[in-house]
Amino acid sequence: GQQVMQIPQYQHVQEGEDFTTYCNSSTTLSNIQWYKQRPGGHPVFLIQLVKSGEVKKQKRLTFQFGEAKKNSSLHITATQTTDVGTYFCAGGYRGSTLGRLYFGRGTQLTVWP
Amino acid sequence: SQTIHQWPATLVQPVGSPLSLECTVEGTSNPNLYWYRQAAGRGLQLLFYSVGIGQISSEVPQNLSASRPQDRQFILSSKKLLLSDSGFYLCAWSPGTYGYTFGSGTRLTVV
Repeated sequence: GQQVMQIPQYQHVQEGEDFTTYCNSSTTLSNIQWYKQRPGGHPVFLIQLVKSGEVKKQKRLTFQFGEAKKNSSLHITATQTTDVGTYFCAGGYRGSTLGRLYFGRGTQLTVWP
Repeated sequence: SQTIHQWPATLVQPVGSPLSLECTVEGTSNPNLYWYRQAAGRGLQLLFYSVGIGQISSEVPQNLSASRPQDRQFILSSKKLLLSDSGFYLCAWSPGTYGYTFGSGTRLTVV
């Protein structure tokens, strides 16, 4: 069945270092979404990518969707303590119920000041 | 604007007791609705989703059930809670073509 793999599970960085989390699917995705969950909070939608090779930026965050639409990445430049949290990718597939997403297991980011 | 309400925020229940968690959405019609569970420090496990009134799809067989008695109301229930039902329960809605909006969640501890 559909499954989205996400690595790494944990990442510890010093403030100012960069951070990247990766997602991969064995089958082609129709779209990929990214969410952030702060400690003790609920996931918050960040962005959706739908086009092959798409790149979107939100300030220090860069989101990429692979050419084959099977992988995606989230890169944070010069991390800050406010970036702490768990980042989830979630993929949608053609043929699945509209809106049904398959979440990766998340990458928990810790930022040392 | 659309809002999602989920309550209660925390709940401590004894083993064997019933459960009812309610989620309501405002400002939209015919939303897709979802119930997720998150164990401490873990990922999101989809429990149920609904694309319309009375339409429930179950992802994981367990002692939980869900109902959608009204367009914007989604209820998660159990007749008898197990210790393993402890976790962070999240309700979410989507228009089907864009991102999910999650409720603030219910932290359930079964003792």
